[in-house]
Amino acid sequence: RKEVEQDPGPFNVPEGATVAFNCTYSNSASQSFFWYRQDCRKEPKLLMSVYSSGNEDGRFTAQLNRASQYISLLIRDSKLSDSATYLCVVIKNKAAGNKLTFGGGTRVLVKP
Amino acid sequence: GAGVSQSPSNKVTEKGKDVELRCDPISGHTALYWYRQSLGQGLEFLIYFQGNSAPDKSGLPSDRFSAERTGGSVSTLTIQRTQQEDSAVYLCASSRQAGETQYFGPGTRLLVL
Repeated sequence: RKEVEQDPGPFNVPEGATVAFNCTYSNSASQSFFWYRQDCRKEPKLLMSVYSSGNEDGRFTAQLNRASQYISLLIRDSKLSDSATYLCVVIKNKAAGNKLTFGGGTRVLVKP
Repeated sequence: GAGVSQSPSNKVTEKGKDVELRCDPISGHTALYWYRQSLGQGLEFLIYFQGNSAPDKSGLPSDRFSAERTGGSVSTLTIQRTQQEDSAVYLCASSRQAGETQYFGPGTRLLVL
């Protein structure tokens, strides 16, 4: 079993619609959680950190459920520019240098 | 300001040759990370530097892989006797301190024929 698992998609989303997807992680002691965005043939870029209380950044909302070991990302009012692969990222042990453990990514395609 | 830079952007090599990949982190960033992204494996951690020392080399896939960092800045990832399964995008990231946001470079696309 992979340490961080994601539905690879693609999620085909009409422009203006809402899309949500999850990621599960296997290590219950994981300490930090993030969503990164990766465009085709580009490097990953931090989209947002994920906090236990849930957090929002504009049209993006992230939630963490420690009991069930999953995090979610919701995108409201999808834009064509939201088309990308969204990578779920976990830090298992901050004391060990903060190396990132990545999920395989969820591909989102927003269509007119 | 300048971000993380990597060179070369693309590298094609023959099986069995050695390659060197370079990473220039953001100025002042003390932590530096190497990852690789391949079709079958996704994005995986290779090695982490704090200053010039590498406290975590756990992700290096074999002893053909090595890395060093000098002057607390530039890092070089060396792959000896390349194999076809080494073909991937090698990404470097840096952060001001370990524990802070990691910023990725554009990567080096390595193709081993």
